Amino acid sequence: QVQLQQWGAGLLRPSETLSLTCGVNGGSFSDHYWMFVRQSPGEGLEWIGEINHSGTTNYNPSLKSRVTISMDTSKSQFSLKLTSVTVADTAVYYCARIPSHGSLYGMDVWGQGTTVTVSS
Amino acid sequence: DIQLTQSPSSLSASVGDRVTITCRATQGIDYYLAWYLQKPGKAPNLLIYAASTLQSGVPSRFSGSGSGTEFTLTISSLQPEDFATYYCQQLKSFPFTFGPGTKVDVK
Repeated sequence: QVQLQQWGAGLLRPSETLSLTCGVNGGSFSDHYWMFVRQSPGEGLEWIGEINHSGTTNYNPSLKSRVTISMDTSKSQFSLKLTSVTVADTAVYYCARIPSHGSLYGMDVWGQGTTVTVSS
Repeated sequence: DIQLTQSPSSLSASVGDRVTITCRATQGIDYYLAWYLQKPGKAPNLLIYAASTLQSGVPSRFSGSGSGTEFTLTISSLQPEDFATYYCQQLKSFPFTFGPGTKVDVK
């Protein structure tokens, strides 16, 4: 049973860089699509971006200038960096997976979520 | 971006009720539509993908239908554990987008 375990700093000052890492346990890392989603307090869900097994990334245009998603296949981990954070970036951040068959199959595995608060 | 709307935004129901939630897309997305259930403080949980395929382990009281721009999630007989917020998501094109959610609470 694949599980995603995520970690990262929970409190940031404005202009700092958000860094989150997601570890993949119990399953293949190389074949799937790995992504980050966030949910602001009282708001809905926002897709941040993805990285696939070949290292190709796709980002939400609304965040593209500030986002980098990378992966370390040797550790079965992938990471999110979001630069120049503001209060508007306060949210619960999730990592998730789309299985190797493609996006038609939805996001079938999710991390537990990391609450990130941006405050001066 | 493809925008998704959901209706209703909230509903009150009783155990045993049949519940239907609609999701509409601003552009055709074929069958690239997923439904998730989310409970407070938890990550979303995939219920249905490809508009109508039940995710493994999800009870058969959940069903999905539709294609193109209009989709439906139906719960045939609402159970206590189904009180939650439901989201649709399109995965046809980047950026993947979610609907605003439908909160199902106790009548």
